[in-house]
Amino acid sequence: EIVLTQSPATLSLSPGERAILSCRASQSISSSLAWYQQKPGQAPKLLIYDAFNRATGIPARFSGSGSGTDFTLTISSLEPEDFAVYYCQQRGNWPPPFTFGPGTRVDIK
Amino acid sequence: EVQLMQSGGGLVQPGWSLRLSCVVSGFSVSSRYMSWVRQAPGKGLEWVSVIHSDGTTNYADSVKDRFTISRDQSKNTLSLQMNSLRAEDTALYYCAGGVGYLDYWGQGSLVTVSS
Repeated sequence: EIVLTQSPATLSLSPGERAILSCRASQSISSSLAWYQQKPGQAPKLLIYDAFNRATGIPARFSGSGSGTDFTLTISSLEPEDFAVYYCQQRGNWPPPFTFGPGTRVDIK
Repeated sequence: EVQLMQSGGGLVQPGWSLRLSCVVSGFSVSSRYMSWVRQAPGKGLEWVSVIHSDGTTNYADSVKDRFTISRDQSKNTLSLQMNSLRAEDTALYYCAGGVGYLDYWGQGSLVTVSS
């Protein structure tokens, strides 16, 4: 089973700053990785799929990169609504499970 | 507009069964990869099960042989039959679907397993 680790666990930043979130897979998953954003009391929201493609309606300040085992989600300039928990998810290997990472919380500093 | 409307959560005792439903509008449940994902209180997301467009199903080891995912094309509904429930199954359960990834999510159904 593929294990995803995310770092850091918490990121404390101010609005306008750049956020860089990391996701590492225990074995290669090619580019089969997604990023989701979850705000309190809400369902997760797909941000990025296939490592670098923005989902419909997602602002350009969100970008994804990486392949193989190391992936990054970058938020170029944090807006107040971006403070949330971010999860990566892989679907690189068949059969499932399509595991999620433990999440990175982006807090207001 | 795509909507996933969930129902069926509640409080049950260990060993009991519960069925969750997810009525989908805006696309056919048979045309997408549909999953159940759960989130224990204060914890992260845990993938539970998937049913593919070809009907193939898969489960997390933690629920294998206890949970069954299914779909009803006539009602455009996704279901999760949960048997032999345990305290550790307590969570908010989301139905979700998409083409490969989880583009669309329901509002969540709270399942509490406690004596």
